[in-house]
Amino acid sequence: SQKIEQNSEALNIQEGKTATLTCNYTNYSPAYLQWYRQDPGRGPVFLLLIRENEKEKRKERLKVTFDTTLKQSLFHITASQPADSATYLCALEADYKLSFGAGTTVTVRA
Amino acid sequence: DSGVTQTPKHLITATGQRVTLRCSPRSGDLSVYWYQQSLDQGLQFLIQYYNGEERAKGNILERFSAQQFPDLHSELNLSSLELGDSALYFCASSPPRGTGAGYTFGSGTRLTVV
Repeated sequence: SQKIEQNSEALNIQEGKTATLTCNYTNYSPAYLQWYRQDPGRGPVFLLLIRENEKEKRKERLKVTFDTTLKQSLFHITASQPADSATYLCALEADYKLSFGAGTTVTVRA
Repeated sequence: DSGVTQTPKHLITATGQRVTLRCSPRSGDLSVYWYQQSLDQGLQFLIQYYNGEERAKGNILERFSAQQFPDLHSELNLSSLELGDSALYFCASSPPRGTGAGYTFGSGTRLTVV
Protein backbone atom coordinates (compact mmCIF):
# COMPACT_ATOMS: atom_id res chain seq x y z
CA SER A 1 0.00 0.00 0.00
CA GLN A 2 1.04 3.59 -0.47
CA LYS A 3 2.64 5.27 2.53
CA ILE A 4 3.98 8.71 3.34
CA GLU A 5 6.06 8.83 6.49
CA GLN A 6 7.37 11.94 8.13
CA ASN A 7 10.08 11.23 10.62
CA SER A 8 9.70 12.87 14.01
CA GLU A 9 6.32 13.93 15.19
CA ALA A 10 7.91 16.92 16.90
CA LEU A 11 11.03 18.97 16.46
CA ASN A 12 12.19 21.58 18.96
CA ILE A 13 14.95 23.93 17.89
CA GLN A 14 16.60 27.14 19.00
CA GLU A 15 15.90 30.34 17.11
CA GLY A 16 18.45 30.91 14.37
CA LYS A 17 19.17 27.21 13.84
CA THR A 18 18.19 25.11 10.84
CA ALA A 19 15.29 22.70 11.11
CA THR A 20 15.46 19.63 8.87
CA LEU A 21 12.35 17.54 8.28
CA THR A 22 12.21 14.22 6.45
CA CYS A 23 9.54 12.73 4.25
CA ASN A 24 9.81 9.15 3.00
CA TYR A 25 7.35 7.44 0.72
CA THR A 26 6.61 3.95 -0.59
CA ASN A 27 4.65 2.72 -3.59
CA TYR A 28 4.43 6.12 -5.21
CA SER A 29 5.98 7.22 -8.49
CA PRO A 30 5.43 10.92 -8.03
CA ALA A 31 5.94 13.50 -10.74
CA TYR A 32 6.25 16.04 -7.94
CA LEU A 33 6.11 16.42 -4.18
CA GLN A 34 4.60 19.24 -2.17
CA TRP A 35 5.14 20.76 1.28
CA TYR A 36 2.50 22.60 3.29
CA ARG A 37 2.38 24.46 6.58
CA GLN A 38 -0.56 24.08 8.95
CA ASP A 39 -1.26 26.17 12.03
CA PRO A 40 -3.63 24.83 14.72
CA GLY A 41 -7.25 24.96 13.61
CA ARG A 42 -6.34 26.43 10.22
CA GLY A 43 -6.21 25.04 6.72
CA PRO A 44 -2.88 23.94 5.26
CA VAL A 45 -0.96 26.56 3.30
CA PHE A 46 1.04 25.55 0.23
CA LEU A 47 4.76 26.28 0.53
CA LEU A 48 6.74 24.55 -2.19
CA LEU A 49 6.40 22.06 -5.03
CA ILE A 50 9.41 20.17 -6.35
CA ARG A 51 9.34 18.11 -9.53
CA GLU A 52 10.97 14.70 -10.00
CA ASN A 53 13.65 16.18 -12.26
CA GLU A 54 14.56 18.89 -9.74
CA LYS A 55 17.05 18.01 -7.04
CA GLU A 56 16.61 21.14 -4.98
CA LYS A 57 14.30 24.10 -4.73
CA ARG A 58 14.48 27.22 -2.58
CA LYS A 59 12.03 29.87 -1.45
CA GLU A 60 13.33 32.51 0.90
CA ARG A 61 14.54 30.61 4.01
CA LEU A 62 13.05 27.31 2.85
CA LYS A 63 14.89 24.62 0.93
CA VAL A 64 13.51 21.33 -0.34
CA THR A 65 15.39 18.40 -1.84
CA PHE A 66 13.89 15.46 -3.67
CA ASP A 67 15.63 12.13 -4.21
CA THR A 68 13.46 9.74 -6.23
CA THR A 69 16.02 6.95 -5.83
CA LEU A 70 15.89 7.11 -2.05
CA LYS A 71 12.18 7.97 -2.22
CA GLN A 72 12.81 10.83 0.15
CA SER A 73 12.42 14.58 0.45
CA LEU A 74 14.14 16.83 2.96
CA PHE A 75 12.66 20.15 4.02
CA HIS A 76 14.93 22.74 5.61
CA ILE A 77 14.02 25.94 7.44
CA THR A 78 17.16 28.04 7.78
CA ALA A 79 17.65 30.86 10.30
CA SER A 80 14.48 29.68 12.04
CA GLN A 81 12.23 32.11 13.85
CA PRO A 82 9.49 31.59 16.47
CA ALA A 83 6.97 32.49 13.75
CA ASP A 84 8.04 29.33 11.90
CA SER A 85 6.47 27.23 14.66
CA ALA A 86 3.78 25.10 12.98
CA THR A 87 3.11 21.64 11.62
CA TYR A 88 4.70 20.91 8.26
CA LEU A 89 3.11 18.40 5.93
CA CYS A 90 4.55 16.46 3.03
CA ALA A 91 2.12 15.56 0.25
CA LEU A 92 2.10 13.34 -2.83
CA GLU A 93 -0.44 12.99 -5.58
CA ALA A 94 -1.60 9.75 -7.15
CA ASP A 95 -4.81 8.98 -9.04
CA TYR A 96 -5.95 12.59 -8.82
CA LYS A 97 -5.84 12.69 -5.04
CA LEU A 98 -3.29 14.45 -2.88
CA SER A 99 -2.36 12.42 0.18
CA PHE A 100 -0.61 13.88 3.19
CA GLY A 101 1.86 12.61 5.72
CA ALA A 102 1.00 12.93 9.40
CA GLY A 103 3.17 16.03 9.68
CA THR A 104 6.05 17.20 11.83
CA THR A 105 5.35 19.85 14.46
CA VAL A 106 8.18 22.35 14.69
CA THR A 107 8.61 24.54 17.74
CA VAL A 108 11.21 27.30 17.55
CA ARG A 109 12.38 28.60 20.93
CA ALA A 110 13.39 32.23 21.25
CA ASP B 1 -8.21 35.18 2.68
CA SER B 2 -7.01 32.20 0.65
CA GLY B 3 -9.66 32.60 -2.01
CA VAL B 4 -11.45 29.38 -1.02
CA THR B 5 -14.57 30.12 0.99
CA GLN B 6 -16.14 27.60 3.33
CA THR B 7 -19.39 28.01 5.22
CA PRO B 8 -20.35 27.67 7.95
CA LYS B 9 -17.21 28.05 10.06
CA HIS B 10 -18.74 26.19 12.99
CA LEU B 11 -21.57 23.72 13.21
CA ILE B 12 -22.97 21.96 16.26
CA THR B 13 -25.59 19.31 15.70
CA ALA B 14 -27.03 16.21 17.30
CA THR B 15 -26.41 12.59 16.44
CA GLY B 16 -28.59 11.29 13.65
CA GLN B 17 -28.93 14.66 11.99
CA ARG B 18 -27.88 15.76 8.51
CA VAL B 19 -25.74 18.78 7.63
CA THR B 20 -24.47 20.43 4.47
CA LEU B 21 -21.08 22.07 4.19
CA ARG B 22 -20.46 24.52 1.39
CA CYS B 23 -17.32 25.46 -0.51
CA SER B 24 -16.59 28.06 -3.17
CA PRO B 25 -13.28 27.41 -4.93
CA ARG B 26 -10.71 30.02 -5.85
CA SER B 27 -11.61 31.90 -9.00
CA GLY B 28 -10.48 29.96 -12.06
CA ASP B 29 -9.94 26.63 -10.28
CA LEU B 30 -12.03 23.76 -11.65
CA SER B 31 -11.03 21.12 -9.12
CA VAL B 32 -12.50 20.89 -5.63
CA TYR B 33 -11.34 18.48 -2.94
CA TRP B 34 -12.81 17.62 0.45
CA TYR B 35 -10.71 16.49 3.42
CA GLN B 36 -11.55 15.43 6.97
CA GLN B 37 -9.21 16.10 9.89
CA SER B 38 -10.19 14.61 13.24
CA LEU B 39 -8.60 15.72 16.49
CA ASP B 40 -4.89 14.90 16.40
CA GLN B 41 -5.37 13.02 13.13
CA GLY B 42 -3.96 13.65 9.73
CA LEU B 43 -5.78 14.97 6.71
CA GLN B 44 -7.93 12.27 5.16
CA PHE B 45 -8.97 12.67 1.55
CA LEU B 46 -12.69 12.23 1.01
CA ILE B 47 -13.56 13.13 -2.57
CA GLN B 48 -12.59 15.23 -5.59
CA TYR B 49 -14.65 16.92 -8.27
CA TYR B 50 -13.42 18.40 -11.52
CA ASN B 51 -15.69 20.74 -13.45
CA GLY B 52 -18.80 19.12 -12.05
CA GLU B 53 -17.73 15.49 -12.36
CA GLU B 54 -16.52 13.19 -9.61
CA ARG B 55 -12.90 12.33 -10.32
CA ALA B 56 -11.50 10.56 -7.28
CA LYS B 57 -12.86 9.03 -4.12
CA GLY B 58 -11.11 8.28 -0.86
CA ASN B 59 -12.40 6.46 2.20
CA ILE B 60 -15.63 8.40 2.20
CA LEU B 61 -18.45 6.87 4.22
CA GLU B 62 -21.67 5.93 2.44
CA ARG B 63 -23.45 8.38 4.77
CA PHE B 64 -21.45 11.17 3.15
CA SER B 65 -22.03 12.53 -0.33
CA ALA B 66 -20.89 15.51 -2.32
CA GLN B 67 -21.52 17.32 -5.55
CA GLN B 68 -20.13 20.18 -7.58
CA PHE B 69 -22.53 22.59 -9.23
CA PRO B 70 -22.28 24.37 -12.62
CA ASP B 71 -20.97 27.50 -10.90
CA LEU B 72 -18.21 25.23 -9.46
CA HIS B 73 -19.18 25.57 -5.83
CA SER B 74 -19.36 22.27 -3.99
CA GLU B 75 -21.40 20.87 -1.14
CA LEU B 76 -20.56 18.01 1.21
CA ASN B 77 -23.57 16.34 2.76
CA LEU B 78 -23.14 14.37 5.97
CA SER B 79 -26.11 12.34 7.18
CA SER B 80 -26.99 10.08 10.11
CA LEU B 81 -24.27 11.85 12.01
CA GLU B 82 -22.32 10.04 14.69
CA LEU B 83 -20.11 11.38 17.46
CA GLY B 84 -17.06 10.18 15.53
CA ASP B 85 -17.90 12.47 12.65
CA SER B 86 -16.83 15.45 14.75
CA ALA B 87 -13.88 16.92 12.91
CA LEU B 88 -12.57 19.77 10.84
CA TYR B 89 -13.69 19.52 7.23
CA PHE B 90 -11.55 21.30 4.69
CA CYS B 91 -12.23 22.13 1.12
CA ALA B 92 -9.40 22.85 -1.31
CA SER B 93 -9.16 23.86 -4.93
CA SER B 94 -6.38 23.70 -7.46
CA PRO B 95 -5.52 24.97 -10.92
CA PRO B 96 -4.81 22.50 -13.75
CA ARG B 97 -1.90 20.11 -13.24
CA GLY B 98 1.47 21.20 -14.49
CA THR B 99 1.14 24.80 -13.35
CA GLY B 100 3.48 24.26 -10.41
CA ALA B 101 0.90 25.51 -7.96
CA GLY B 102 -0.33 23.58 -4.98
CA TYR B 103 -3.75 23.28 -3.49
CA THR B 104 -5.44 26.25 -1.85
CA PHE B 105 -7.34 25.30 1.29
CA GLY B 106 -10.24 27.06 2.90
CA SER B 107 -10.36 27.84 6.60
CA GLY B 108 -12.50 24.80 7.28
CA THR B 109 -15.80 23.95 8.93
CA ARG B 110 -15.55 22.67 12.47
CA LEU B 111 -18.31 20.12 12.99
CA THR B 112 -19.24 19.06 16.49
CA VAL B 113 -21.73 16.23 16.87
CA VAL B 114 -23.27 15.99 20.34
